[in-house]
Amino acid sequence: GEDVEQSLFLSVREGDSSVINCTYTDSSSTYLYWYKQEPGAGLQLLTYIFSNMDMKQDQRLTVLLNKKDKHLSLRIADTQTGDSAIYFCAARNYGQNFVFGPGTRLSVLP
Amino acid sequence: NAGVTQTPKFRVLKTGQSMTLLCAQDMNHEYMYWYRQDPGMGLRLIHYSVGEGTTAKGEVPDGYNVSRLKKQNFLLGLESAAPSQTSVYFCASSYSTASGGAYEQFFGPGTRLTVL
Repeated sequence: GEDVEQSLFLSVREGDSSVINCTYTDSSSTYLYWYKQEPGAGLQLLTYIFSNMDMKQDQRLTVLLNKKDKHLSLRIADTQTGDSAIYFCAARNYGQNFVFGPGTRLSVLP
Repeated sequence: NAGVTQTPKFRVLKTGQSMTLLCAQDMNHEYMYWYRQDPGMGLRLIHYSVGEGTTAKGEVPDGYNVSRLKKQNFLLGLESAAPSQTSVYFCASSYSTASGGAYEQFFGPGTRLTVL
């Protein structure tokens, strides 16, 4: 079955860019997602990308997909303290359930 | 709209006790899910439901039971709690995935369960 991996921690300085990486194993995954979890809260969808796209940009967020390497990244420009959270990568194929990665805890230092 | 709500928010149980976690959604979603979140392991699917009266096993179903008697509610039961079930439990709901479109899972705020 699908397996999704992420590094567990990332620290950046306020104002810098953050890049959170994710790898997945199932090349037939159709949709790839980034969710954000703030302390004490549930997950909220940040953005998603369809497998036939290479890049998607949404304000400060840029998602890059390398299908050949099965690698997904989330870049946050001008990172702010409010971006401190856990970021989950998830993959899904048509009609299938989500498979989540372990989450990357982003710490933004002043 | 309240979205997805979970009851209770916190609970402490002794080994062997039973309890039921309640999830409710007001978005008329067909699909509902129960996940557990453990440090460094992400979210793991316990059980899910694709409609009223139906349930199915996820990745880690042992020790849990579920029921979906009404479309808006999804109950997760622990018949005999064990310390290994100490975790944060999240409920989620979504529209049907059968259409093939990208869809969003909406999550509740979570229930933090400790089993002593």
